[in-house]
Amino acid sequence: DGGITQSPKYLFRKEGQNVTLSCEQNLNHDAMYWYRQDPGQGLRLIYYSQIVNDFQKGDIAEGYSVSREKKESFPLTVTSAQKNPTAFYLCASAPRTGGIGELFFGEGSRLTVL
Amino acid sequence: GQQLNQSPQSMFIQEGEDVSMNCTSSSIFNTWLWYKQDPGEGPVLLIALYKAGELTSNGRLTAQFGTTRKDSFLNISASIPSDVGIYFCAGLGWNNAGNMLTFGGGTRLMVKP
Repeated sequence: DGGITQSPKYLFRKEGQNVTLSCEQNLNHDAMYWYRQDPGQGLRLIYYSQIVNDFQKGDIAEGYSVSREKKESFPLTVTSAQKNPTAFYLCASAPRTGGIGELFFGEGSRLTVL
Repeated sequence: GQQLNQSPQSMFIQEGEDVSMNCTSSSIFNTWLWYKQDPGEGPVLLIALYKAGELTSNGRLTAQFGTTRKDSFLNISASIPSDVGIYFCAGLGWNNAGNMLTFGGGTRLMVKP
């Protein structure tokens, strides 16, 4: 079945450690996105990528890094520079940017820093 | 940047009641989308609106794209327990990065059987 797969679903990290969240899609979508969700708040854009080997910062990119070496994959690294990393992270994809904007979301990864 | 004000932030209703929520913005959007998020899951698209004044239904859900292009509302009729979740509006508009989605803060819906 086509879709977006995020892993792991739950992750615990000690302070000072980097952690990488995986996002894979088999929908042949060009654009991929990472959002952060905090309790009681909406979705905030971290990074997005319109094509392979290109990505752009979103509204809250500090302390995060991404890569887009393959069309299907858009991993997010939460670095030790991110001051408050505990959150629910959502990956999404869309057929193209500049279009109708309908995003397809993964099931999310919940990161907890101990 | 662009901001969406979504209200109410939460609702606690009795099963069978109708629900109404809305989003407003100071900016114009080209497309309005409504998503539902179940606990611990990613949001799922419910309704997409592409033209000012458009009224679209999806089962018990009805959404409208405001004529000013700065607002949208979502109605749920005859609510049932599985309607529980967080509903997000999202507007597609143009900024320096191109066409980008902006999300509202969400409306948390709780339904009492």
